Amino acid sequence: DVVMTQTPVSLSVSLGGQVSISCRSSQSLVHNNGNTYLSWYLQKPGQSPQLLIYKVSNRFSGISDRFSGSGSGTDFTLKISRVEPDDLGVYYCGQGTQYPLTFGSGTKLEIK
Amino acid sequence: EVQLVETGGGLVQPGRSLKLSCVASGFTFNNYWMSWTRQAPGKGLEWVASITNSGGSTYYPDSVKGRFTISRDNAQNTLYLQMNSLRSEDTATYYCTRGATSFAYWGQGTLVTVSS
Repeated sequence: DVVMTQTPVSLSVSLGGQVSISCRSSQSLVHNNGNTYLSWYLQKPGQSPQLLIYKVSNRFSGISDRFSGSGSGTDFTLKISRVEPDDLGVYYCGQGTQYPLTFGSGTKLEIK
Repeated sequence: EVQLVETGGGLVQPGRSLKLSCVASGFTFNNYWMSWTRQAPGKGLEWVASITNSGGSTYYPDSVKGRFTISRDNAQNTLYLQMNSLRSEDTATYYCTRGATSFAYWGQGTLVTVSS
């Protein structure tokens, strides 16, 4: 199984600041078809998760350009700029390249 | 507007069965793969099952393979998860999700509690 390792486990940021979350996979996430199926999700308190980024760097519909994804192979990063109060919650990376599909254990973002 | 509405959760004894349903609206259901993902209380996300848009192929992790069955009725825009031989470790909120390589839309979830 592909193990997804997220760091840090938690972080605290001031409003208007910038944060980066790392996600590393135990195997390359490049699919046979050439696509890399690495996604990022945000679960706000008391809500269902929501998709932010798919295929490494593509923002989902309606997602602010303050969120950006990058990386390749086994090493990926989510950056959040100009942090707002509504950004707090738990961020998960997930891979859709290989079965079983797996997620990272989450990064909790708190606002200072 | 895409909507996914799950029903069927509840309290069930270990070893018993439960069937979850998810009614989809706001998109052409039979164009999309669908999945179930779960979250144990206070824990992270775990993928449970996926099904192709036609229903012809299904995929499961080892933790539920042989016990859970995902299916769909494209005429009724409905996704199902039949859960048999339930265990305490299956206690979780179960989310219906659209997609498989990424989960673009999530339902509100339905809580399944396995306990005697």
